[in-house]
Amino acid sequence: SQTIHQWPATLVQPVGSPLSLECTVEGTSNPNLYWYRQAAGRGLQLLFYSVGIGQISSEVPQNLSASRPQDRQFILSSKKLLLSDSGFYLCAWRQGTDTGELFFGEGSRLTVL
Amino acid sequence: GQNIDQPTEMTATEGAIVQINCTYQTSGFNGLFWYQQHAGEAPTFLSYNVLDGLEEKGRFSSFLSRSKGYSYLLLKELQMKDSASYLCAAWDSNYQLIWGAGTKLIIKP
Repeated sequence: SQTIHQWPATLVQPVGSPLSLECTVEGTSNPNLYWYRQAAGRGLQLLFYSVGIGQISSEVPQNLSASRPQDRQFILSSKKLLLSDSGFYLCAWRQGTDTGELFFGEGSRLTVL
Repeated sequence: GQNIDQPTEMTATEGAIVQINCTYQTSGFNGLFWYQQHAGEAPTFLSYNVLDGLEEKGRFSSFLSRSKGYSYLLLKELQMKDSASYLCAAWDSNYQLIWGAGTKLIIKP
C-alpha cells in the first residue's frame, strides 16, 4: 500500500532563517507531487506541483522553492523566511494524470517569529 | 475566474442530519471531491462525484448537479467526531484542483 510522510511536524523559526520541509512517498512510482499551504481558517493554496524528477511548476511567486531530487521525494525550501510564511504546509500525491483523489501527508505547522 | 463557494460555518445537533452545500465555477469540469479535515490534521478523502446524482457511503452521501454547478455533502446520524471542516474541491479542464475555503461543522450534544 502507498504511504506519504512529511517532516518535521512542527517548527518555530525566526524571520530570515532558512527552511526545509521534506516529503516522501512509498509504494508507488512516478507520482504527481504537490505542496500546499493552508492559512488559519482558509482553504488550500497550491504552491508547487511536480509531474516528474526535476520538473517543478510554481503557482504562486514568493520566497519559497521546491525540488524533486528523486522520484518519490519532494522538498520545500526557503533561504529567508518571512512572517507571512507561517502556516500549515501539506504535501500530497496522486497517481498519473487521471482525476484521482489526492492523498495528503500529516502536515507541517510552521510558525515564523 | 474560477471559484468555489461553501458556507463558512454550520452548527448541528448530535444524531441529526446536516447538508453542506458547494457551488463551483471552473473552466471545464472533471469531477468534484469532498474532504474532511479535523483541526490541526491533514484532509482525508470522503467522496468523488463526476456524474450527476447521489453517491452514498454509509452515513455520508454526496450529490452533484453539473448543469447547476452544485454539490452537497449530506451527513446523517451526526456524531461528535464529525465536528471538522469539510472541503469542497473541483478539477478544472487543466486538471488543476480548485479548493473551497471549507465549512466548519460544529456538532452540539
